[in-house]
This record gives sequence, structure tokens and C-alpha cells, in this order.
Amino acid sequence: DGGITQSPKYLFRKEGQNVTLSCEQNLNHDAMYWYRQDPGQGLRLIYYSQIVNDFQKGDIAEGYSVSREKKESFPLTVTSAQKNPTAFYLCASTRRHGTDTQYFGPGTRLTVL
Amino acid sequence: KQEVTQIPAALSVPEGENLVLNCSFTDSAIYNLQWFRQDPGKGLTSLLLIQSSQREQTSGRLNASLDKSSGRSTLYIAASQPGDSATYLCAVSNDYKLSFGAGTTVTVRA
Repeated sequence: DGGITQSPKYLFRKEGQNVTLSCEQNLNHDAMYWYRQDPGQGLRLIYYSQIVNDFQKGDIAEGYSVSREKKESFPLTVTSAQKNPTAFYLCASTRRHGTDTQYFGPGTRLTVL
Repeated sequence: KQEVTQIPAALSVPEGENLVLNCSFTDSAIYNLQWFRQDPGKGLTSLLLIQSSQREQTSGRLNASLDKSSGRSTLYIAASQPGDSATYLCAVSNDYKLSFGAGTTVTVRA
């Protein structure tokens, strides 16, 4: 089955630790995205990548980093510089950046202890 | 900066009633508008995508309209069922990025 997988489903982080969230897609999509969702708010864009080896900052990139070494994979690292990382993180992909339907993964819930 | 608003934030209706969900946006220079469904603790599922040149889009019991000039979209769900209970989000695309509303949480009472 084609789709987007995210792991882990739940993640706990201690203060000062970096953690990496995984996102993999087998839809052969060029573009991939990371969003953050907080209660009562819409999704906010962290980073996006239109093509392999290229990525752009979104609206709230501070404290996050990404890489896009393979078309299928777009991992997100939440660094210790992110002051309030507790949130629900969603990865998405689309065939072409900006004009097509975005398909979402099941999400990772990150909690800082 | 695009601002997307969805009112009301929550809605409760008896089974069988038609649902009307509203979305408004501030910048009418959009490429498209999408409606998504989100179940608790889950990712988003795309319901309908309306291109900027279209006025409406239909899929089964769902119908979405788009009025770019007034910055509004409406999602209609006919003959609601308990399985329609979820949060519905709209998102508009301009400058090659999606801007999301906070969503309307719908409860359909059996």
C-alpha cells in the first residue's frame, strides 16, 4: 500500500536532548513537509522540501533541522534550542510542490519531560 | 500574510441533519483550497480540493463551494452520521504554501 509512515507514534524527550522524528513515503512524491499542531490552533509549517537535497524554512523553523538525502525520507530533528517542543508533529507529501493535494502521515506526539 | 478562520470552533447536531462548515480567508490570491478531516490523535485525510478556477467540488455526501472574491468556502455534509464526528480543517494555498484554519470539531449525536 502506498502512503506515509511516521515513527515513533509517541516520543518523550528530556530537557536539553535532541530527538529525530522519522517520515517515509512510498508515493514517489517530490515534495515533503513538516507541520506542528498545537491544541486549538491550525497546523504551522516548520520546513518543506521540493526536491532531494533541497529544503526551505517554513514559518516556525527555529529550533528544528531537516535533511533530504533520499526522495522517500525527510527526517526532522527537534533540537535543544526549541523552547517549547511539546506538540503533535505531522509529515506530509505531495506530487508537486504547492498545487496538489497533500497527503499526511499519522503523526508523532512529542512530550518534553 | 494569509489568515484562515473557521467558525464555529465546535458544532453538535443530531444524526440526519445537514452540516454546514464555514471557512474564511484574507488573501484571495489563492491557487486552491482544501478541506481535510482529522480524527482524534490521527493525521489529516484529504476530503476535497477546489482549484481557484472552480466554484465547487462534490464527493458523495460532501459538497464544497468556493467564493474567492469574498474569501469564503463552505463545506456541506448531507444527512450527517455519527461516523462524521471529527475535526474538519480548511487550508488555502498561495505562494506555494498551505495556511490552515484551526478547525471545526463536529459531533453527530445518534
